[in-house]
Amino acid sequence: QQQVKQSPQSLIVQKGGISIINCAYENTAFDYFPWYQQFPGKGPALLIAIRPDVSEKKEGRFTISFNKSAKQFSLHIMDSQPGDSATYFCAASRETSGSRLTFGEGTQLTVNP
Amino acid sequence: DAGVTQSPTHLIKTRGQQVTLRCSPKSGHDTVSWYQQALGQGPQFIFQYYEEEERQRGNFPDRFSGHQFPNYSSELNVNALLLGDSALYLCASSLIQGTYGYTFGSGTRLTVV
Repeated sequence: QQQVKQSPQSLIVQKGGISIINCAYENTAFDYFPWYQQFPGKGPALLIAIRPDVSEKKEGRFTISFNKSAKQFSLHIMDSQPGDSATYFCAASRETSGSRLTFGEGTQLTVNP
Repeated sequence: DAGVTQSPTHLIKTRGQQVTLRCSPKSGHDTVSWYQQALGQGPQFIFQYYEEEERQRGNFPDRFSGHQFPNYSSELNVNALLLGDSALYLCASSLIQGTYGYTFGSGTRLTVV
């Protein structure tokens, strides 16, 4: 019930293309869904987050799409750039129980120039 | 404004030894959480400290223990190290009332030989 499944494991896109990463969760009590970006040798950094009362959130080139009935959410990176090459993690939590995050397995994104 | 600071950055220990990792939270944050990130995996929640007490705990054995000091800094202790404890240990700080202010440190890379 606490798992978050993420796909694909790795993704290669060309510069200017769209990167799409998908996640699915099981626990319907989750009410906060962030995406984190992690570069080698660094800790995860919050990229964008969404709550289940909206179906989409956009910040610059990054968009989260959320499907509550399917228990799925995805990250779309528009106009992907080589600097976006990193590992991306989706996560989920229950804010009512504090700040514990359950992470997906991660997606290694490579954007070719 | 300094973010989350972790020390040391790298550490090599022998199986059976004990290790202590340290974390200074972001200024203004009162809650510290520890995560274990195995190579190629998403971070796994170990435990969380608030007001010098363990508030939540993940599925980790009692060999993993922690402490929070009055200045909100924290330590993670691991006893009787196993080869499988080799991982990146991440500290994250936040405010107790939510996850949106979660900030991760760059981690301590522990290698058990």
